Amino acid sequence: AQKVTQAQTEISVVEKEDVTLDCVYETRDTTYYLFWYKQPPSGELVFLIRRNSFDEQNEISGRYSWNFQKSTSSFNFTITASQVVDSAVYFCALSVPGGSARQLTFGSGTQLTVLP
Amino acid sequence: GAGVSQSPRYKVAKRGQDVALRCDPISGHVSLFWYQQALGQGPEFLTYFQNEAQLDKSGLPSDRFFAERPEGSVSTLKIQRTQQEDSAVYLCASSLVAQGAWDEQYFGPGTRLTVT
Repeated sequence: AQKVTQAQTEISVVEKEDVTLDCVYETRDTTYYLFWYKQPPSGELVFLIRRNSFDEQNEISGRYSWNFQKSTSSFNFTITASQVVDSAVYFCALSVPGGSARQLTFGSGTQLTVLP
Repeated sequence: GAGVSQSPRYKVAKRGQDVALRCDPISGHVSLFWYQQALGQGPEFLTYFQNEAQLDKSGLPSDRFFAERPEGSVSTLKIQRTQQEDSAVYLCASSLVAQGAWDEQYFGPGTRLTVT
Protein backbone atom coordinates (compact mmCIF):
# COMPACT_ATOMS: atom_id res chain seq x y z
CA ALA A 1 0.00 0.00 0.00
CA GLN A 2 1.04 3.53 -0.64
CA LYS A 3 1.02 6.40 1.80
CA VAL A 4 1.81 10.11 1.56
CA THR A 5 2.32 12.28 4.61
CA GLN A 6 2.24 16.06 4.63
CA ALA A 7 2.87 16.94 8.24
CA GLN A 8 2.36 20.66 7.82
CA THR A 9 -1.36 21.34 7.95
CA GLU A 10 -1.12 25.12 7.61
CA ILE A 11 1.69 27.52 6.86
CA SER A 12 1.47 31.29 6.86
CA VAL A 13 4.21 33.51 5.44
CA VAL A 14 4.60 37.13 4.48
CA GLU A 15 4.94 37.97 0.82
CA LYS A 16 8.48 37.58 -0.59
CA GLU A 17 9.46 35.01 2.02
CA ASP A 18 10.63 31.58 0.88
CA VAL A 19 8.58 28.61 2.02
CA THR A 20 9.12 24.85 1.86
CA LEU A 21 6.30 22.33 1.88
CA ASP A 22 7.26 18.88 3.10
CA CYS A 23 6.18 15.55 1.65
CA VAL A 24 7.15 12.09 2.84
CA TYR A 25 5.99 8.99 1.01
CA GLU A 26 5.87 5.24 1.58
CA THR A 27 5.78 2.52 -1.03
CA ARG A 28 7.27 -0.92 -1.53
CA ASP A 29 7.46 -0.44 -5.28
CA THR A 30 10.80 0.43 -6.81
CA THR A 31 9.12 2.24 -9.67
CA TYR A 32 6.79 5.01 -8.68
CA TYR A 33 5.82 8.54 -9.59
CA LEU A 34 5.49 11.60 -7.43
CA PHE A 35 3.33 14.62 -8.12
CA TRP A 36 2.51 18.01 -6.68
CA TYR A 37 -0.88 19.59 -7.26
CA LYS A 38 -2.19 23.01 -6.27
CA GLN A 39 -5.80 23.54 -5.23
CA PRO A 40 -6.82 27.20 -5.23
CA PRO A 41 -10.08 28.32 -3.60
CA SER A 42 -11.93 27.56 -6.85
CA GLY A 43 -11.39 23.90 -6.03
CA GLU A 44 -9.83 22.64 -9.23
CA LEU A 45 -6.60 20.71 -8.72
CA VAL A 46 -3.81 22.09 -10.90
CA PHE A 47 -0.86 19.91 -11.84
CA LEU A 48 2.55 21.36 -10.95
CA ILE A 49 5.16 18.67 -11.42
CA ARG A 50 5.84 14.95 -11.60
CA ARG A 51 9.00 12.92 -11.01
CA ASN A 52 9.76 9.26 -11.48
CA SER A 53 11.62 7.24 -8.92
CA PHE A 54 14.71 6.89 -11.07
CA ASP A 55 15.28 10.58 -11.50
CA GLU A 56 16.51 12.28 -8.36
CA GLN A 57 17.58 15.43 -10.09
CA ASN A 58 16.16 18.48 -8.44
CA GLU A 59 14.03 20.68 -10.62
CA ILE A 60 13.50 24.39 -10.80
CA SER A 61 10.68 26.13 -12.62
CA GLY A 62 10.64 29.85 -12.09
CA ARG A 63 10.00 30.48 -8.39
CA TYR A 64 9.21 26.81 -7.79
CA SER A 65 11.75 24.12 -7.01
CA TRP A 66 11.51 20.51 -5.93
CA ASN A 67 13.92 18.41 -3.91
CA PHE A 68 13.53 14.64 -4.35
CA GLN A 69 15.55 12.46 -1.96
CA LYS A 70 15.00 8.71 -2.08
CA SER A 71 17.21 8.19 0.97
CA THR A 72 14.67 9.98 3.13
CA SER A 73 11.60 9.21 0.96
CA SER A 74 10.91 12.89 0.63
CA PHE A 75 9.77 15.14 -2.20
CA ASN A 76 9.75 18.67 -0.87
CA PHE A 77 8.49 21.76 -2.66
CA THR A 78 9.95 25.23 -2.22
CA ILE A 79 8.43 28.50 -3.35
CA THR A 80 10.92 31.32 -3.54
CA ALA A 81 9.80 34.91 -3.04
CA SER A 82 6.23 33.89 -2.32
CA GLN A 83 3.33 35.91 -3.65
CA VAL A 84 -0.25 36.32 -2.49
CA VAL A 85 -1.41 34.36 -5.55
CA ASP A 86 0.47 31.34 -4.21
CA SER A 87 -2.11 31.02 -1.45
CA ALA A 88 -3.76 27.64 -1.92
CA VAL A 89 -3.77 24.08 -0.65
CA TYR A 90 -0.88 22.06 -2.00
CA PHE A 91 -1.05 18.29 -2.33
CA CYS A 92 1.70 15.79 -2.79
CA ALA A 93 0.65 12.54 -4.47
CA LEU A 94 2.06 9.15 -5.43
CA SER A 95 1.17 6.58 -8.06
CA VAL A 96 2.61 3.22 -9.02
CA PRO A 97 2.37 1.32 -12.30
CA GLY A 98 1.03 -2.15 -12.77
CA GLY A 99 -2.38 -3.75 -12.60
CA SER A 100 -5.20 -1.32 -12.22
CA ALA A 101 -3.46 0.72 -9.57
CA ARG A 102 -3.24 3.92 -11.54
CA GLN A 103 -4.90 6.08 -8.99
CA LEU A 104 -3.13 8.87 -7.19
CA THR A 105 -2.62 8.51 -3.46
CA PHE A 106 -2.72 11.99 -1.98
CA GLY A 107 -1.41 13.46 1.22
CA SER A 108 -3.75 15.49 3.37
CA GLY A 109 -2.48 18.77 1.95
CA THR A 110 -0.81 21.90 3.26
CA GLN A 111 -2.80 25.13 3.36
CA LEU A 112 -0.42 27.93 2.41
CA THR A 113 -1.42 31.50 3.15
CA VAL A 114 0.77 34.29 1.83
CA LEU A 115 0.06 37.58 3.53
CA PRO A 116 0.65 40.90 1.76
CA GLY B 1 -9.43 23.89 -25.07
CA ALA B 2 -12.16 22.68 -22.75
CA GLY B 3 -11.11 21.09 -19.53
CA VAL B 4 -12.91 18.56 -17.38
CA SER B 5 -16.37 19.75 -16.44
CA GLN B 6 -18.63 18.53 -13.69
CA SER B 7 -22.26 19.14 -12.89
CA PRO B 8 -23.89 20.16 -10.73
CA ARG B 9 -21.27 22.19 -8.91
CA TYR B 10 -23.31 22.06 -5.71
CA LYS B 11 -25.89 19.56 -4.61
CA VAL B 12 -27.91 19.46 -1.42
CA ALA B 13 -29.71 16.22 -0.73
CA LYS B 14 -31.84 15.07 2.11
CA ARG B 15 -30.72 11.91 3.80
CA GLY B 16 -32.06 8.93 1.93
CA GLN B 17 -32.28 10.61 -1.45
CA ASP B 18 -30.46 9.35 -4.53
CA VAL B 19 -28.07 11.67 -6.36
CA ALA B 20 -26.31 11.56 -9.72
CA LEU B 21 -23.11 13.47 -10.40
CA ARG B 22 -21.92 14.02 -13.94
CA CYS B 23 -18.40 14.27 -15.35
CA ASP B 24 -17.44 15.37 -18.86
CA PRO B 25 -13.78 14.50 -19.38
CA ILE B 26 -11.45 16.08 -21.88
CA SER B 27 -12.33 14.82 -25.33
CA GLY B 28 -10.23 11.83 -26.33
CA HIS B 29 -9.04 11.02 -22.85
CA VAL B 30 -9.05 7.29 -22.27
CA SER B 31 -8.79 7.20 -18.49
CA LEU B 32 -11.33 8.62 -16.08
CA PHE B 33 -11.12 8.69 -12.29
CA TRP B 34 -13.48 9.61 -9.48
CA TYR B 35 -12.16 10.85 -6.15
CA GLN B 36 -13.88 11.84 -2.92
CA GLN B 37 -12.47 14.75 -0.95
CA ALA B 38 -13.68 15.24 2.60
CA LEU B 39 -13.29 18.66 4.19
CA GLY B 40 -9.66 19.36 5.04
CA GLN B 41 -8.41 16.13 3.49
CA GLY B 42 -6.75 15.05 0.31
CA PRO B 43 -8.75 13.39 -2.45
CA GLU B 44 -9.31 9.66 -2.06
CA PHE B 45 -9.66 7.32 -4.99
CA LEU B 46 -13.08 5.87 -5.69
CA THR B 47 -13.01 4.25 -9.10
CA TYR B 48 -11.24 4.13 -12.46
CA PHE B 49 -12.44 3.66 -16.05
CA GLN B 50 -10.45 2.85 -19.13
CA ASN B 51 -12.82 3.84 -21.92
CA GLU B 52 -16.13 2.22 -20.92
CA ALA B 53 -14.58 -0.49 -18.79
CA GLN B 54 -14.55 0.01 -15.04
CA LEU B 55 -11.21 -1.57 -14.17
CA ASP B 56 -10.99 -0.61 -10.53
CA LYS B 57 -13.77 0.14 -8.08
CA SER B 58 -11.86 -0.75 -4.96
CA GLY B 59 -12.31 2.71 -3.47
CA LEU B 60 -16.10 2.81 -3.55
CA PRO B 61 -17.07 2.98 0.13
CA SER B 62 -20.25 0.94 -0.09
CA ASP B 63 -22.65 -0.71 -2.51
CA ARG B 64 -24.67 2.51 -2.42
CA PHE B 65 -22.06 3.99 -4.75
CA PHE B 66 -22.22 3.16 -8.41
CA ALA B 67 -20.38 4.62 -11.40
CA GLU B 68 -20.75 4.17 -15.11
CA ARG B 69 -19.23 5.39 -18.36
CA PRO B 70 -21.33 3.60 -20.95
CA GLU B 71 -19.89 5.15 -24.11
CA GLY B 72 -16.40 5.77 -22.90
CA SER B 73 -16.80 9.51 -22.52
CA VAL B 74 -19.24 11.05 -20.01
CA SER B 75 -19.36 9.38 -16.63
CA THR B 76 -21.97 9.42 -13.88
CA LEU B 77 -21.39 8.70 -10.22
CA LYS B 78 -24.59 7.70 -8.48
CA ILE B 79 -25.09 7.54 -4.76
CA GLN B 80 -28.19 5.80 -3.50
CA ARG B 81 -29.88 6.47 -0.15
CA THR B 82 -27.42 9.23 0.73
CA GLN B 83 -26.05 9.42 4.26
CA GLN B 84 -24.51 12.36 6.07
CA GLU B 85 -21.07 10.80 5.81
CA ASP B 86 -21.38 11.06 2.03
CA SER B 87 -21.03 14.84 2.31
CA ALA B 88 -17.84 15.72 0.44
CA VAL B 89 -16.49 17.15 -2.78
CA TYR B 90 -16.52 14.61 -5.59
CA LEU B 91 -13.73 15.18 -8.08
CA CYS B 92 -13.48 13.75 -11.55
CA ALA B 93 -10.18 13.52 -13.40
CA SER B 94 -9.19 12.32 -16.84
CA SER B 95 -5.93 11.44 -18.49
CA LEU B 96 -4.94 10.81 -22.05
CA VAL B 97 -3.61 7.31 -21.91
CA ALA B 98 -4.43 3.99 -20.37
CA GLN B 99 -2.09 2.20 -17.98
CA GLY B 100 -0.53 5.52 -17.22
CA ALA B 101 0.68 5.83 -13.67
CA TRP B 102 3.02 8.48 -15.06
CA ASP B 103 0.30 10.35 -16.87
CA GLU B 104 -0.89 13.71 -15.64
CA GLN B 105 -4.48 13.71 -14.47
CA TYR B 106 -6.62 16.73 -15.30
CA PHE B 107 -9.17 17.52 -12.64
CA GLY B 108 -12.59 19.06 -12.84
CA PRO B 109 -13.86 21.67 -10.36
CA GLY B 110 -15.74 19.07 -8.36
CA THR B 111 -19.28 18.68 -7.11
CA ARG B 112 -19.84 19.65 -3.49
CA LEU B 113 -22.44 17.31 -2.04
CA THR B 114 -24.11 18.21 1.24
CA VAL B 115 -26.44 15.67 2.81
CA THR B 116 -28.80 17.14 5.39
